[in-house]
Amino acid sequence: KQEVTQIPAALSVPEGENLVLNCSFTDSAIYNLQWFRQDPGKGLTSLLLIQSSQREQTSGRLNASLDKSSGRSTLYIAASQPGDSATYLCAVRVPQGGSEKLVFGKGTKLTVNP
Amino acid sequence: ETGVTQTPRHLVMGMTNKKSLKCEQHLGHNAMYWYKQSAKKPLELMFVYSLEERVENNSVPSRFSPECPNSSHLFLHLHTLQPEDSALYLCASSQDIVSGELFFGEGSRLTVL
Repeated sequence: KQEVTQIPAALSVPEGENLVLNCSFTDSAIYNLQWFRQDPGKGLTSLLLIQSSQREQTSGRLNASLDKSSGRSTLYIAASQPGDSATYLCAVRVPQGGSEKLVFGKGTKLTVNP
Repeated sequence: ETGVTQTPRHLVMGMTNKKSLKCEQHLGHNAMYWYKQSAKKPLELMFVYSLEERVENNSVPSRFSPECPNSSHLFLHLHTLQPEDSALYLCASSQDIVSGELFFGEGSRLTVL
């Protein structure tokens, strides 16, 4: 059974700092990995999608890497800003029966202090 | 206009009520999903529809009844719920059920008294 773990559960940093969020998964048989952002009481916003054949994806100040063989992904945020404060979730897409599904981690709650 | 719209955003209901959550996607996607998000737990997949046909039902109690009348609309009918069903219910869509990127709505916050 696929399990996704995100460490740390919470992180507080001063504005301007570069930071790394970690995601690990137990089964390397994934189709892709997706990072999301969730603001309090809101839905999820897709940040980056990495296909299983890819090593990384970049969007602005965000860079996500994927090491499928070791079951790890990292989300790097450069020059963090207070507006980056949110919960960051990673999810892996895995086979299930004749279909597929996303398995989510519990998220890392990030606070960027001005 | 956002890609995936959910209504209502907040709902309070008693255990004997019947209510429905609505989701509409304007992205031209073929697959739609209901997820449940409870405090301190990972998102749980409830239902998956592909081209209006249910392809996944993750052992969800029958007091939750989904309906997908067309590829743009998805409903979750609620009947005789329990207080432990209080959660954020999130709708999502993707181009297809295979390896597609998911786009989520803002969620419906449900409180069962």
